[in-house]
Amino acid sequence: EVQLVQSGAEVKKPGESLKISCKGSGYSFTSYWIGWVRQMPGKGLEWMGIIYPGDSETRYSPTFQGQVTISADTSISTAYLQWSSLKASDTAMYYCARHGGYCSTTTCPAWFDPWGQGTLVTVSS
Amino acid sequence: DIQMTQSPSSLSASVGDRVTITCQASQEITKYLNWYQQKPGKAPKLLIYDASILDTGVPSRFSGSGSGTDFTFTISTLQPEDIATYYCQQYDTLPITFGQGTKLEIK
Repeated sequence: EVQLVQSGAEVKKPGESLKISCKGSGYSFTSYWIGWVRQMPGKGLEWMGIIYPGDSETRYSPTFQGQVTISADTSISTAYLQWSSLKASDTAMYYCARHGGYCSTTTCPAWFDPWGQGTLVTVSS
Repeated sequence: DIQMTQSPSSLSASVGDRVTITCQASQEITKYLNWYQQKPGKAPKLLIYDASILDTGVPSRFSGSGSGTDFTFTISTLQPEDIATYYCQQYDTLPITFGQGTKLEIK
């Protein structure tokens, strides 16, 4: 069974750093792109970016470029989303999801399936 | 960025009803559209990809159609377990963008 399991909920203070994880199993981790999606409280889904663990190539949404870093460690089949300095506005649920195709510089022609269970990040002083 | 506009934002229907949600893209996206279901407190789940192809295991009461800029998602016979928020998503051009969601409630 293809599965993505995310790290647990986090409570942080503004200005702190954070790295959350997404561990893939049941498939070749290096052969599929993995994306990250933000869902702020009571709001919709926002695509943040995507990584190809095979060569660590990444694509970011302009909204999130420079605000977060997406990385991967193929030795443990895990993708990461990290912040160097959190803000209260980063409070949200974050999902990782496997992407079914490839990504060029302009398009990622496929869908997200499956999704991780989500990691709730709360940033509050 | 391509803007995806879903309609309606919320919807109340009775068990057994036919339910239709529309999604309009701000520019041509051919067939590059997916539909997801998100139940309260859960992660999204893929239902339909490439505008009209049902993902494996998804009940046949769900269907999708459309191309270009206008797309439709339909539940032919609403079931109680279909209570959820539904999102369209385009992947024609980066950044990938989602519609704002349609919250479906049972009357």
